[in-house]
Amino acid sequence: DAKTTQPPSMDCAEGRAANLPCNHSTISGNEYVYWYRQIHSQGPQYIIHGLKNNETNEMASLIITEDRKSSTLILPHATLRDTAVYYCIVRVVRGGSQGNLIFGKGTKLSVKP
Amino acid sequence: DSGVTQTPKHLITATGQRVTLRCSPRSGDLSVYWYQQSLDQGLQFLIQYYNGEERAKGNILERFSAQQFPDLHSELNLSSLELGDSALYFCASSPAERGGLRAKNIQYFGAGTRLSVL
Repeated sequence: DAKTTQPPSMDCAEGRAANLPCNHSTISGNEYVYWYRQIHSQGPQYIIHGLKNNETNEMASLIITEDRKSSTLILPHATLRDTAVYYCIVRVVRGGSQGNLIFGKGTKLSVKP
Repeated sequence: DSGVTQTPKHLITATGQRVTLRCSPRSGDLSVYWYQQSLDQGLQFLIQYYNGEERAKGNILERFSAQQFPDLHSELNLSSLELGDSALYFCASSPAERGGLRAKNIQYFGAGTRLSVL
């Protein structure tokens, strides 16, 4: 699985959009971009994933650049409960028994009132 | 609530002891993964089981072992415990899927077991 680079920390004002970048310049054509988050010492939580098109769900939007070398996770209206470590993970989608996730250090997002 | 249940939530024990951590996956999920999270190492994959069989191994020590039972619950056994084994241990589960564009490959994590070795 390709390596990812994320800023170690970011701040965001409550109610504003949080834009979390991820660099994955060595991504292969069959690798997807996944985002998980971990709210203080809780189990990681899946947010969203995508291959090359932009994706949106009830939690967030994922914008992937045309060359797929980087992506941005957008939380449109951040709340204090969005304070967490956000992990960007690149991996191949597999059938059957999937592979494990490889977590980097992630970005610690602090949402401030 | 992810649907993955881990017990116990907290465990305090002494060096040299043995403990067992239990995980009940989401209903119908065939894969179970164990991860360890310590302060200095971050989230590290330990081992994966799929429908009762070991499927992948990560950075799991020889003192650690796991198994998945016919009802698909899993147990992680940690023996000869050392101070450095103090960590959060997470279990995750995922359903079996076909590959391809419709596959989601999402892992659902439990709330974890916090192990303190004194």
